[in-house]
Amino acid sequence: EPEVTQTPSHQVTQMGQEVILRCVPISNHLYFYWYRQILGQKVEFLVSFYNNEISEKSEIFDDQFSVERPDGSNFTLKIRSTKLEDSAMYFCASSEQGPGQPQHFGDGTRLSIL
Amino acid sequence: QQQVKQSPQSLIVQKGGIPIINCAYENTAFDYFPWYQQFPGKGPALLIAIRPDVSEKKEGRFTISFNKSAKQFSLHIMDSQPGDSATYFCAASNNAGNMLTFGGGTRLMVKP
Repeated sequence: EPEVTQTPSHQVTQMGQEVILRCVPISNHLYFYWYRQILGQKVEFLVSFYNNEISEKSEIFDDQFSVERPDGSNFTLKIRSTKLEDSAMYFCASSEQGPGQPQHFGDGTRLSIL
Repeated sequence: QQQVKQSPQSLIVQKGGIPIINCAYENTAFDYFPWYQQFPGKGPALLIAIRPDVSEKKEGRFTISFNKSAKQFSLHIMDSQPGDSATYFCAASNNAGNMLTFGGGTRLMVKP
């Protein structure tokens, strides 16, 4: 069964550094998402991306964050000048179609900011 | 108004029991309600989803009940097994956007 793959599985970074989290969505999917889950808390939406542009973003997704689809298969989340509170699991998801359609999640990248 | 409230936070049942997890929402624009299952170290996996035009949907041992007037929906797991032990999240979205709003999660343990 096709799946969303994320790399790395664990990223440790010094506070203030930039990180790039990578995702390969399911190949025929057109909509891509990033969510985060702080330890012990619920999953929170960050951003959705379609047709090479952001279609929706939450209050969490401020100027510190950016997303990009640099080629036909990868989808990345960049976090600039990381803070301690950015430590969380970051999940990429994709869906074949848009609103109200099943979103399939990867296994996440655990980001630890020291 | 964007919140989805989930209860209970944790649940322990014996094998064969029927755990029930409940969610409530305020935003009447929500029209898609999926449930996700998450095992430790894994991402949320889509289990089953429902739209407000039906009151119940069943897939295998998993059933969603939906009460539009009460703005509540619930997940029932029939004949629960130890392998069902996981965290379950309800979620909701509306057809104007892609954002899934998640509930707080329910940690289920099924004892052998």
